[in-house]
Amino acid sequence: KAGVTQTPRYLIKTRGQQVTLSCSPISGHRSVSWYQQTPGQGLQFLFEYFSETQRNKGNFPGRFSGRQFSNSRSEMNVSTLELGDSALYLCASESGSSGGGTDTQYFGPGTRLTVL
Amino acid sequence: GDSVTQMEGPVTLSEEAFLTINCTYTATGYPSLFWYVQYPGEGLQLLLKATKADDKGSNKGFEATYRKETTSFHLEKGSVQVSDSAVYFCALSRRFGNTGKLIFGQGTTLQVKP
Repeated sequence: KAGVTQTPRYLIKTRGQQVTLSCSPISGHRSVSWYQQTPGQGLQFLFEYFSETQRNKGNFPGRFSGRQFSNSRSEMNVSTLELGDSALYLCASESGSSGGGTDTQYFGPGTRLTVL
Repeated sequence: GDSVTQMEGPVTLSEEAFLTINCTYTATGYPSLFWYVQYPGEGLQLLLKATKADDKGSNKGFEATYRKETTSFHLEKGSVQVSDSAVYFCALSRRFGNTGKLIFGQGTTLQVKP
């Protein structure tokens, strides 16, 4: 089975611009979560999508948004970029089939965003 | 709120040394616990997990036991190799209904010297 893929791997943007990142989960997985990784704040949860619906959201401003398509692929968008948005953005895929237990999240290689 | 605390790094060891990376957590209920590893320039790879008290997760010579009485999930390996050099993250997941998110520790950098 192919793993989680993320595109692009690297992005350079300037302040004020917007950016869209893409994530394709493992085949058959229905849940996609996004995380931001920075040296100062570590790994922080952004949001989770399941069956095209956002069902969990972290503590990030409204400039950060996402969506999920019917094939489970997900995109996240950051508008009006700030210098502090420079980070590694990681996508995680989970089967989402567990009702009461905890599924395992499998991560992609990440998209490195640099804001100048 | 839920949190995970890992020992400060970097941890520097010689090849074939014994490794322990401490991890403690704070959470209500019964979280699942994970160790992930991140090699330079890459995403996170699942190393091992445990979903209930006294479970032992193991993979590639690494082990960790879910200790509810001490709220700990320490990572151990009997003999490290240079190729084990990476950043190790302890994490917990606690489901609310059908949703879950990972809460990570700050990461511990391991350097193994030949």
